[in-house]
Parts: sequence; C-alpha cells; structure tokens
Amino acid sequence: QTVVTQEPSLTVSPGGTVTLTCTANTGAVSSNYYPSWFQQKPGQAPRSLIYGATNKHSWTPARFSGSLLGGKAVLTLSGVQPDDEAVYYCLLFFDGAQLWLFGGGTRLTVL
Amino acid sequence: QVQLVVSGGGVVQPGRSLRLSCAGSGFTFSGYAMHWVRQAPGKGLEWVAVISSDGIHKYYANSVKGRFAISRDNSKSTLYLQVNSLRAEDTAVYYCLRVDDTTHFDYWGQGALVTASS
Repeated sequence: QTVVTQEPSLTVSPGGTVTLTCTANTGAVSSNYYPSWFQQKPGQAPRSLIYGATNKHSWTPARFSGSLLGGKAVLTLSGVQPDDEAVYYCLLFFDGAQLWLFGGGTRLTVL
Repeated sequence: QVQLVVSGGGVVQPGRSLRLSCAGSGFTFSGYAMHWVRQAPGKGLEWVAVISSDGIHKYYANSVKGRFAISRDNSKSTLYLQVNSLRAEDTAVYYCLRVDDTTHFDYWGQGALVTASS
C-alpha cells in the first residue's frame, strides 16, 4: 500500500523558519511525482500554494518556497507570520497506478 | 474571476445514491482537467477522482473505485460525482479542484457536506 508521510505537527516562533517534508514509501520523491502543497485553515477550503515541486501561484506569499531535497518534497516558510498557522498538505502523483495521494497533513503552530 | 460552486450535498441513507455537481465560471471549463477531493470530519484530505478536460480519461482512488463515477458536461461547465451505495465512511466534505496543464492545481470549490445516515 502506497503511503505519503508528513510530520504530524510542528511549532515555530513568529519570524522564524520552518521546513515541512513529504515522503513516499515507494522511494525518493522526484519531480516525476509533481509535488503540490496546500494550506487549510479551520472551516475553510484548502488553498493551493505550490505545484510541480517549486512553482508558486500568483497569490502565494514570497515567504513560502518549495523544493526537492534528499528524496523528499519540502515546503519552507521563512519569516513565519501568525497568519501562517494552519494545516499543510502535500499531494503526490503515482504514475504507475495513475493516482494521486495526499499526505496526512502537518499542523503548524506559530507560538 | 474563477469560481467553482459545489452543490448536491445533504443527508442520505446508507446504500442510497446522490450526485454532486461543481459549476465552473470565469474560465473556459473545457480546457481544464478536474478533480474531486474529500475530507471526513476532523480528518485529512483524500483524493477521490480525476477527469481529463475532454471527459475521456477518468481515474479513481481505490477506496471509491466501482462505486463512484466522475463525469462532466462541458456545454454546461459542470463537473459531476455520482456516489452510489453510500457508506458511513463516505461522510465527508467533497471539494472540486481545477488543474491546469495536468499537474498545476489551482482553484478549489467551497465544498459540500455529504452525510450518510439513516
């Protein structure tokens, strides 16, 4: 069974930097998995932040960046603001099975 | 501006069926693949299904394969999800999601709650 794993929770201080990771039990995550990142705040629909591992949308704040590092998809928040407190989900594409899978989400607390 | 409006949710008896709709506006609907994503109460996001822009190619999560059917009517700019043999574990908020160029996810619908309950 294919599983996508994220840190369940992370805490960061305002103004700090935090790294969220996304891994697959099938092996190293590469650009072929087309990693995407989404932000969800309580009671709201998710919002798209990053697609294709590194690409931002026009509405994605500059402090958010995506990358591939050490076989993982990575979302980095630099200069964290209180408004960044949310759950962050990654999404990966598995070509062989033609399916997409979300990670379990990372609850980010800004404290 | 791009808008995706989900409708058709509600309380449905287990074993029954319902159809969700996602109406798109503010863009050329026929030019985009579309996904359904769901979220059970208090849980994470679960990918459900995808349909190509022309409606020919369709893929499903293993958890819904054989019970759910994704379709679209480009003349009405509307995406559908037919949910059959509803189970308690199908209780969730269902979102539609637009994707540009196959992998560029961008806009989400507001979601609709489906509750399987007698």
